[in-house]
Amino acid sequence: ELKVEQNPLFLSMQEGKNYTIYCNYSTTSDRLYWYRQDPGKSLESLFVLLSNGAVKQEGRLMASLDTKARLSTLHITAAVHDLSATYFCAVDYSGAGSYQLTFGKGTKLSVIP
Amino acid sequence: DAGVTQSPTHLIKTRGQQVTLRCSPKSGHDTVSWYQQALGQGPQFIFQYYEEEERQRGNFPDRFSGHQFPNYSSELNVNALLLGDSALYLCASSFSSTQYFGPGTRLTVL
Repeated sequence: ELKVEQNPLFLSMQEGKNYTIYCNYSTTSDRLYWYRQDPGKSLESLFVLLSNGAVKQEGRLMASLDTKARLSTLHITAAVHDLSATYFCAVDYSGAGSYQLTFGKGTKLSVIP
Repeated sequence: DAGVTQSPTHLIKTRGQQVTLRCSPKSGHDTVSWYQQALGQGPQFIFQYYEEEERQRGNFPDRFSGHQFPNYSSELNVNALLLGDSALYLCASSFSSTQYFGPGTRLTVL
C-alpha cells in the first residue's frame, strides 16, 4: 500500500520561530509536491521537487527532497501569522509526469502572534 | 489567463440521486484529474483523463465515472449517491511538472 505520512499533523507555533514539517513516503519516487490549503479553499501549489537533493525556497518557506531516505521537509523560517494554513505533501508514484498524486493527511499550522 | 474553473460551487443532493460536476482546465492543459477531499483529510485521486480517455483510476467504485470533451473540459458523474460521498471535489489540470487545482465543488449528500 502506498503511504505518505506527514508529521506533525497539528502545529502551533509563535511568530518569529522556526519549524520543520516532515513528509515520509513508502515507495521510490522522484517527484514530490507541496501544497497549501486555506480553510474552505482549494490547493495552492508551493513547490515541485523533481530530483534527489532538490531544494527550493520561496519567502519564509524552504522545501527539500531526499529520495534515498524517501523524505521531504518543509522548513518555516521566522513564522508569521499569514502562514497559518494546512500544508500537504503529495507524491507522484505512477511514473514521471503521470500526475496521479497520493497525498499525506496534511499539517495544520497555526501561527500565534 | 483563467485558471482551472469548476461548477457548481456548492451542491446539495439526497441519497440515491445522481450528480454531475464540471471542470474546465487551464488554457493549454490537456490532462484533467479528479480528487475527492473529505473533511479533515488529504485529497484522494479518483481518475484522470487524457485525450478523451480515462488513463488512470484510483480506488473508487464504478459509481464514479467521467468524461473528457474535445476541448479538454471534463465531467465527473456520481450515481446512487451515499452519505459518504459528501466531500470537496477538486479538479486539477496538468502541464509540464505542475498540477493546478480548481476551486472545487462542495457536495453535500443528505
